[in-house]
Amino acid sequence: SAVISQKPSRDICQRGTSLTIQCQVDSQVTMMFWYRQQPGQSLTLIATANQGSEATYESGFVIDKFPISRPNLTFSTLTVSNMSPEDSSIYLCSVVGRHTDTQYFGPGTRLTVL
Amino acid sequence: AQSVTQPDIHITVSEGASLELRCNYSYGATPYLFWYVQSPGQGLQLLLKYFSGDTLVQGIKGFEAEFKRSQSSFNLRKPSVHWSDAAEYFCAVGAEGSSNTGKLIFGQGTTLQVKP
Repeated sequence: SAVISQKPSRDICQRGTSLTIQCQVDSQVTMMFWYRQQPGQSLTLIATANQGSEATYESGFVIDKFPISRPNLTFSTLTVSNMSPEDSSIYLCSVVGRHTDTQYFGPGTRLTVL
Repeated sequence: AQSVTQPDIHITVSEGASLELRCNYSYGATPYLFWYVQSPGQGLQLLLKYFSGDTLVQGIKGFEAEFKRSQSSFNLRKPSVHWSDAAEYFCAVGAEGSSNTGKLIFGQGTTLQVKP
């Protein structure tokens, strides 16, 4: 199974600032995704991170707010820009491995915006 | 639009008792269905999945789920619950147009509490 790490594991940020979350996988994967889990809520897909090209965003999410990079097959970043308290959530990275049909999730990054 | 409904927000069972968590989905074709568990402070762990074939699926930790197309359901079951099963459980369906393990649509989750 893929081992996924995320940095930071948690952070407390001020309104108006930006935070970049990193996702690192221990093996090459075909697909990488970013999800958001708002307090007491379920998971919502933000975007699919595409290697070497622009991410594919879901309805309600835009690149200016959530820029995503994926420079190679094992690494991706999600930036939460110009944060407001409504952005307080757990952000999770997930991947689908090259030789598996299972989607694995990272431990998540717990973000609190004051 | 695709959706997943978990009717029970919170369930409490006694240790050793049987468990059934309900999941209903709305989907235009044959769905890809998943159950994940999220323990406090932990990431999501896949319990089991259904893509095709036998409608009764066995998973890890003694869990199983049954796909019933006529009822649009994929209920999770365990014959005897352990205290360590206390967690948040999410049902998910593979989004239409994606690969079988691509974009997922999640239900609201069911919180399981286990009484000693």
